[in-house]
Amino acid sequence: DAGVIQSPRHEVTEMGQEVTLRCKPISGHDYLFWYRQTMMRGLELLIYFNNNVPIDDSGMPEDRFSAKMPNASFSTLKIQPSEPRDSAVYFCASSLEGGGSYEQYFGPGTRLTVT
Amino acid sequence: EDQVTQSPEALRLQEGESSSLNCSYTVSGLRGLFWYRQDPGKGPEFLFTLYSAGEEKEKERLKATLTKKESFLHITAPKPEDSATYLCAVQEQGGSEKLVFGKGTKLTVNP
Repeated sequence: DAGVIQSPRHEVTEMGQEVTLRCKPISGHDYLFWYRQTMMRGLELLIYFNNNVPIDDSGMPEDRFSAKMPNASFSTLKIQPSEPRDSAVYFCASSLEGGGSYEQYFGPGTRLTVT
Repeated sequence: EDQVTQSPEALRLQEGESSSLNCSYTVSGLRGLFWYRQDPGKGPEFLFTLYSAGEEKEKERLKATLTKKESFLHITAPKPEDSATYLCAVQEQGGSEKLVFGKGTKLTVNP
């Protein structure tokens, strides 16, 4: 399996621009997670989906952030408008329910820089 | 208050010098405690899941243990390739799949 795939790997944008991050989970996994990692706050959950339905978006910092999962093999995280404080590494992860195991498998991340 | 606290923040060892990393947690009910390894510029890589106090799991030079309040990641005779940041995360009982991560321990193993 190719693992979780994220694109782009790096994104540099100017303040006020729209940013869209993309994720393809591991085939067959029914949970998808979006995390943000910064030096100050570490790794934080933003939102997660189960069978394409958003379950918990309490970690989404504000209305500028939105996430969608139109089908089982694709999800997007959009920031509009972007701000310098959004600069971070954004990770997507997926997992499979059942069997008593709950481990999440992470993608390589997207490093976002907002100038 | 942080639910997951890892110590030390950074640890420097000589090759072959065994040591332990600590992860203390405060949750009302633990569903699982997870250890991940993260290399620079990469996503966290899953290592272990522990579910109940007294449980132990091993993988090569790594051994994870769990008590009711903390977990230890023991590294026996480490090699330079074990250098990485080790992350601990907890998942609470109650049905949520949410993982709460600690800030990690950055391990450096010198040859």
